[in-house]
Amino acid sequence: GQQVMQIPQYQHVQEGEDFTTYCNSSTTLSNIQWYKQRPGGHPVFLIQLVKSGEVKKQKRLTFQFGEAKKNSSLHITATQTTDVGTYFCAGPESNSGYALNFGKGTSLLVTP
Amino acid sequence: EAGVAQSPRYKIIEKRQSVAFWCNPISGHATLYWYQQILGQGPKLLIQFQNNGVVDDSQLPKDRFSAERLKGVDSTLKIQPAKLEDSAVYLCASSIRDSWSPLHFGNGTRLTVT
Repeated sequence: GQQVMQIPQYQHVQEGEDFTTYCNSSTTLSNIQWYKQRPGGHPVFLIQLVKSGEVKKQKRLTFQFGEAKKNSSLHITATQTTDVGTYFCAGPESNSGYALNFGKGTSLLVTP
Repeated sequence: EAGVAQSPRYKIIEKRQSVAFWCNPISGHATLYWYQQILGQGPKLLIQFQNNGVVDDSQLPKDRFSAERLKGVDSTLKIQPAKLEDSAVYLCASSIRDSWSPLHFGNGTRLTVT
């Protein structure tokens, strides 16, 4: 079945530094979604990418969908302490009712 | 709009006991999901309902887990009997249509099996 892999597993940055997490799928994805989970909280939807090569921005966050629709990235410019949390990518499993498969996530720690 | 409601928030049981979780999705959302999240890992889908029909339950351990969504609204997830490895957060989510639509998660139920 499809697997969604994320790297790195953890990232510790100083406030103001940039951060990037990468997501790779073993199969082509119809779309990819990104979620953020704060410590002790639940995943919260950030964005959905659908088109090949698509780039979307949300303030300091930039999301990209690969040309082959098998990978994606999330880049945060000038991190702030409010960016702390775990970032998950998720893609539909085409062989299984399009159930959303989550990666293991990248945990971001930002120190002031 | 009101969010996804889950109860209880916490539950501690001994192994071999049974437990049930309840979820009320956002009004009008057709699809409901139960995910299991073990500490340090991503959510793992257990079962997906569209209205009151099961879309995917391929990763549900059916010998001990069961779920239902009567009348296509709220849902219950049951574990009987529980094992130590069932200790996790059980997250309910709903989406307006299907997994192409963003998922809205509840606060989850943290289960500890001792």
